[in-house]
Amino acid sequence: TQLLEQSPQFLSIQEGENLTVYCNSSSVFSSLQWYRQEPGEGPVLLVTVVTGGEVKKLKRLTFQFGDARKDSSLHITAAQPGDTGLYLCAGENFDTGNQFYFGTGTSLTVIP
Amino acid sequence: ETGVTQSPTHLIKTRGQQVTLRCSSQSGHNTVSWYQQALGQGPQFIFQYYREEENGRGNFPPRFSGLQFPNYSSELNVNALELDDSALYLCASSLAGGPRDYGYTFGSGTRLTVV
Repeated sequence: TQLLEQSPQFLSIQEGENLTVYCNSSSVFSSLQWYRQEPGEGPVLLVTVVTGGEVKKLKRLTFQFGDARKDSSLHITAAQPGDTGLYLCAGENFDTGNQFYFGTGTSLTVIP
Repeated sequence: ETGVTQSPTHLIKTRGQQVTLRCSSQSGHNTVSWYQQALGQGPQFIFQYYREEENGRGNFPPRFSGLQFPNYSSELNVNALELDDSALYLCASSLAGGPRDYGYTFGSGTRLTVV
């Protein structure tokens, strides 16, 4: 069972455009992570957010954790072909602790 | 650091058979988690091992079982394979208490096809 729903499921944009990916849940998370996965590889951690309302920036990527810690967003500015991949959010549930449950994923394709 | 290595990379089995997948954790990591990932979907949590004991399990039937060894390497065993078990199986290692601070280190996965 997926606790986290991501939208959109698929996204195809031109190089240079901006985009936002959303991660939503009815559950409250003690922390949330974003990963990027390329074909044939395992996911690679991009960022961890812990505090409600927290905003983190990683070059052209901006991550935000919702005030209620139930949702998150990833915004990419001036997308590049190298950003192509499957973006995954993963939430750490208060009840389970130390175990992260992944979202449904957003497949991003940036066209040169 | 040697990262997380999984073997085999690809595997084809027949429905009803049993399979064992192997994972060698990143050096210094004492916790290992296994995930099942269908094509184009997010990974589904199977279970986690810490100090050779299962300390968390997702919504998977008992025919999915695991082991962690003293050197922190791990196995995932699946009995009575079904067609729906076809997926990419990912192993992820972390320090205990570390996933929040350092995230998981994933292997490249084992692609299992059940025919």
